Amino acid sequence: EVQLVESGGGLVQPGGSLRLSCAASGFTFSNYWMHWVRQAPGKGLVWVSRINTDGSTTDYADSVKGRFTISRDNAKNTFFLQMNSLRAEDTAVYYCARDAPGGLVDYWGQGTLVTVSS
Amino acid sequence: DVVMTQSPLSLPVTLGQPASISCRSSQSLVYSDGNTYLNWFQQRPGQSPRRLIYKVSNRDSGVPDRFSGSGSGTDFTLKISRVEAEDVGVYYCMQGMYWPSFGQGTRLEIK
Repeated sequence: EVQLVESGGGLVQPGGSLRLSCAASGFTFSNYWMHWVRQAPGKGLVWVSRINTDGSTTDYADSVKGRFTISRDNAKNTFFLQMNSLRAEDTAVYYCARDAPGGLVDYWGQGTLVTVSS
Repeated sequence: DVVMTQSPLSLPVTLGQPASISCRSSQSLVYSDGNTYLNWFQQRPGQSPRRLIYKVSNRDSGVPDRFSGSGSGTDFTLKISRVEAEDVGVYYCMQGMYWPSFGQGTRLEIK
């Protein structure tokens, strides 16, 4: 059974940093691109970032480019989202998701809440 | 960027009645391999999204057969033949042609 478990969310002040983790199990992690998607309170889904199988290719939404960094550790079946220079508008539930054909996603984690507030 | 536009954004439906959600993309979603990659997701209240339909019309395992997807090119539809109480939630279409993007979401509620 595919499982994705996020951790690392919390309350952080504007300008601060946070590192999210996503632990994967139930599939061969090193064979899959992985994604981060976020959802602001009461709002829709917004794609944030993705990483290829060996970490050599990464993509970001314009809204986070230069502030967020995605990475992975295939030995530990885990990938990460380092979030710096956080803003109030980054407040959201952050989901990790597994890549699916066509640049889409299939399985999602349960999400971790990031709140940026003073 | 490919923009996904869903309608309606709110969908009140009587139990047992059909429901239909439209999703339109600003560009064709036909890939160079000839496939059209368009997914539908359901997000029940307080839950993570769950994929219902992949590649326009393929139901995921465990998805009731009252859900169906159709469409081509830029116009796609998710239909529920007879709405049940457990179908309440928000439905999203998603494309991955260039940068992944989602529709705004359609909130289905029981009338």
